[in-house]
Amino acid sequence: AAGVIQSPRHLIKEKRETATLKCYPIPRHDTVYWYQQGPGQDPQFLISFYEKMQSDKGSIPDRFSAQQFSDYHSELNMSSLELGDSALYFCASSVPYNEQFFGPGTRLTVL
Amino acid sequence: SQQGEEDPQALSIQEGENATMNCSYKTSINNLQWYRQNSGRGLVHLILIRSNEREKHSGRLRVTLDTSKKSSSLLITASRAADTASYFCAQQGGSEKLVFGKGTKLTVNP
Repeated sequence: AAGVIQSPRHLIKEKRETATLKCYPIPRHDTVYWYQQGPGQDPQFLISFYEKMQSDKGSIPDRFSAQQFSDYHSELNMSSLELGDSALYFCASSVPYNEQFFGPGTRLTVL
Repeated sequence: SQQGEEDPQALSIQEGENATMNCSYKTSINNLQWYRQNSGRGLVHLILIRSNEREKHSGRLRVTLDTSKKSSSLLITASRAADTASYFCAQQGGSEKLVFGKGTKLTVNP
């Protein structure tokens, strides 16, 4: 069965650089979510999209933005990276109020 | 904060024993979902239990939900070394976002 695809799997950036993470949801899932998981922490919700419109927003810094495209894939754009942005970034997809299936994550390291 | 609690934070058992992890939450829910995460890896979906359900089974997993106490438990029976992982509960309320608990780190010793 198709799963959520995330790219890249690993990313190393310098402080103040920008990063773009991509997510390809499971086919026919109309909702995409982004979560951030710091070392030893639980995942924290960042933002979600339903049918290409932002549906909810969590603790997402103003330096981050995201969008969902016509083919339902989503991108998380992160600018002016800080050391504290180093984390695992997960994308998940679902049909509303059903199981959220997570991708393998992108490990971002900011040096 | 909507975040709930999980206990214990860490659990160490022998292979073949049962493992029980508990999750409490604060607000009303639409459903509660349990996930497994091996160290630094992805989140694997285990079970979703809806607010009008009391118990659900999947293989060696049994999840219960008590909405009056705002609590859920995950039971893994006949544990195996491969069950070693962190287990998270995540509540989904009026908003579709998941609010995760702190997780329970399970170690199953061979």
